Amino acid sequence: EVQVVESGGGLVQPGGSLRLSCAASGFTFSTYAMSWVRQAPGKGLEWVSVISGSGDGTYYTDSVKGRFTISRDNSKNTLYLQMNSLRVEDTAVYYCAVDGGCSTTTCYSTRATYWGQGTLVTVSS
Amino acid sequence: DIQMTQSPSSLYASIGDRVTITCRASQSISTYLNWYQQKPGKAPQLLIHAAYTLESGVPSRFSGSGSGADFTLTISSLQPEDFATYYCQQSYTFGGGTKVEIK
Repeated sequence: EVQVVESGGGLVQPGGSLRLSCAASGFTFSTYAMSWVRQAPGKGLEWVSVISGSGDGTYYTDSVKGRFTISRDNSKNTLYLQMNSLRVEDTAVYYCAVDGGCSTTTCYSTRATYWGQGTLVTVSS
Repeated sequence: DIQMTQSPSSLYASIGDRVTITCRASQSISTYLNWYQQKPGKAPQLLIHAAYTLESGVPSRFSGSGSGADFTLTISSLQPEDFATYYCQQSYTFGGGTKVEIK
């Protein structure tokens, strides 16, 4: 059974940093691209960042470029999101997701097949 | 970047109703279109990928159609557990969502 479990969320002041983790199991982690998708309170879904299965390709939505860094450790089946210079507008539930259609970040059939339960990040003074 | 526009943003329906949600892309995306269902407080669930391929375990009352720039998600007979918000997605872009509420 595929499982992804996020951790690391919490309350942080504007300008602060936070590192999210996503522990994966039940599938061959290194063969799938992995994503972070967020949802601000009462809002829709936003695709934040993606990393290829091998870790050599990444994508970031414009609003987080230069502030967030996605990475993965295939030996530990774990995905990370390092979030620096956090802003109030980064407040959201952050979901980890497995891309069931792609192993790269340059793939047309990308889709978030499996999701974690989410971890809440609150940026507030 | 390709924009995804869903309509309506919300709708009211009764049990047993046929419900149709549309998603329009700002340019042709072939059949690279996926649909998700999200219930309050829960993670989204992938329902349909590649425009019309039902995910394993998804009830057959759900169906998807379309190609190019115009797509449709249809629920043939709305059930109590179907009241939720539905999103379309292409590449790294989601539509704005359609909330299906009880009439």
